[in-house]
Amino acid sequence: GAVVSQHPSWVICKSGTSVKIECRSLDFQATTMFWYRQFPKQSLMLMATSNEGSKATYEQGVEKDKFLINHASLTLSTLTVTSAHPEDSSFYICSAKIRGGTSGRAGSGARQFFGPGTRLTVL
Amino acid sequence: AQKITQTQPGMFVQEKEAVTLDCTYDTSDPSYGLFWYKQPSSGEMIFLIYQGSYDQQNATEGRYSLNFQKARKSANLVISASQLGDSAMYFCAMRDTTGSYQLTFGKGTKLSVIP
Repeated sequence: GAVVSQHPSWVICKSGTSVKIECRSLDFQATTMFWYRQFPKQSLMLMATSNEGSKATYEQGVEKDKFLINHASLTLSTLTVTSAHPEDSSFYICSAKIRGGTSGRAGSGARQFFGPGTRLTVL
Repeated sequence: AQKITQTQPGMFVQEKEAVTLDCTYDTSDPSYGLFWYKQPSSGEMIFLIYQGSYDQQNATEGRYSLNFQKARKSANLVISASQLGDSAMYFCAMRDTTGSYQLTFGKGTKLSVIP
């Protein structure tokens, strides 16, 4: 099956520092990757859609200058939290859509495959 | 805009019993997909089952089945023969098929399986 990795799995940093989170599709090419944020006991909220070779599309209320997204290759997208503050502490999850996938009955072609998540704690 | 509603914040079920987790949705898209994901305490999102809006039959995957009632805009997840390992958060999600393939998630239901 399609595997997505995230690195690091957890990170603790001081307020004001920047943190980079990597999302990799290990055995498939992903033209589109999605970044979600999940606060404790809440649902996943889409932050941005990352398309290979183009600028990311951010959801309303998400600061693009604070959450820098780079999708430089078909297998790697990075999220950099710049000048992190304690309120940025959250669980960040990426997902990847298979390149060229179509719906199909099972929907697997257009299904998003999720990474294991990165837990960010800002002190 | 798409919206997913899960009205059960928490559910309890006896081991080996069946349980239904509710999900209703709202969309103006004629074509859409519905998903259920399981999120254990580790945080990973585990895909369970998918239903396309044009699928005539309800989706089934092992112990999971999706009770799809299009006219009522509901897509309830049925877990049969519950196991202790089923204790987790369950999220219903909808994906539009107009190009972005973004997922909209419900607030989730925490399922606890009692031995």
